[in-house]
Amino acid sequence: DTAVSQTPKYLVTQMGNDKSIKCEQNLGHDTMYWYKQDSKKFLKIMFSYNNKELIINETVPNRFSPKSPDKAHLNLHINSLELGDSAVYFCASSQGGTKGYEDFGPGTRLTVT
Amino acid sequence: GQNIDQPTEMTATEGAIVQINCTYQTSGFNGLFWYQQHAGEAPTFLSYNVLDGLEEKGRFSSFLSRSKGYSYLLLKELQMKDSASYLCAVKNQGGKLIFGQGTELSVKP
Repeated sequence: DTAVSQTPKYLVTQMGNDKSIKCEQNLGHDTMYWYKQDSKKFLKIMFSYNNKELIINETVPNRFSPKSPDKAHLNLHINSLELGDSAVYFCASSQGGTKGYEDFGPGTRLTVT
Repeated sequence: GQNIDQPTEMTATEGAIVQINCTYQTSGFNGLFWYQQHAGEAPTFLSYNVLDGLEEKGRFSSFLSRSKGYSYLLLKELQMKDSASYLCAVKNQGGKLIFGQGTELSVKP
């Protein structure tokens, strides 16, 4: 299946821990993204990479660090997790440019206790 | 600032037609997108408008007026499976996709 996949689907962890979420796309897209969807269902962009290069970096705490080893993968590492980090994190990809639409992964529901 | 407004909730009857409105103010405009999101699932792409007018895709149509900063999504012959959240999003000058808060549509028998 051609798609955007991410692991894990659910992540429950304690405050202060460090965790990673992995994302892979086999759509041949050039651009990948991380979005955060909060409890009010607002979907907000965090980062965007084009061909492994960071092109969008929203006002996100520097505890969040994306890494793109190649254009098919974009991982998100979060240090010193806080209660407010609880949300659903979606990875997405697009062909890039201003007209491509984003294909979203299934999401990772992060719960920080 | 950048702002996208859409109604929080709507209810409609199976078989009917419903129109979900969206107004926007963004820094630049590179297209308006509609996504559907079922509870607990990922958003899926429905439609894209960059020029004024109506785009039709089966039971779904989307309209854009750039001068008015306005779009709507029209769903015809509603089915129970259309119960979902509908997200309006605008790609701004910098290539960022800015989302509205979504409209939760409930389709009742």
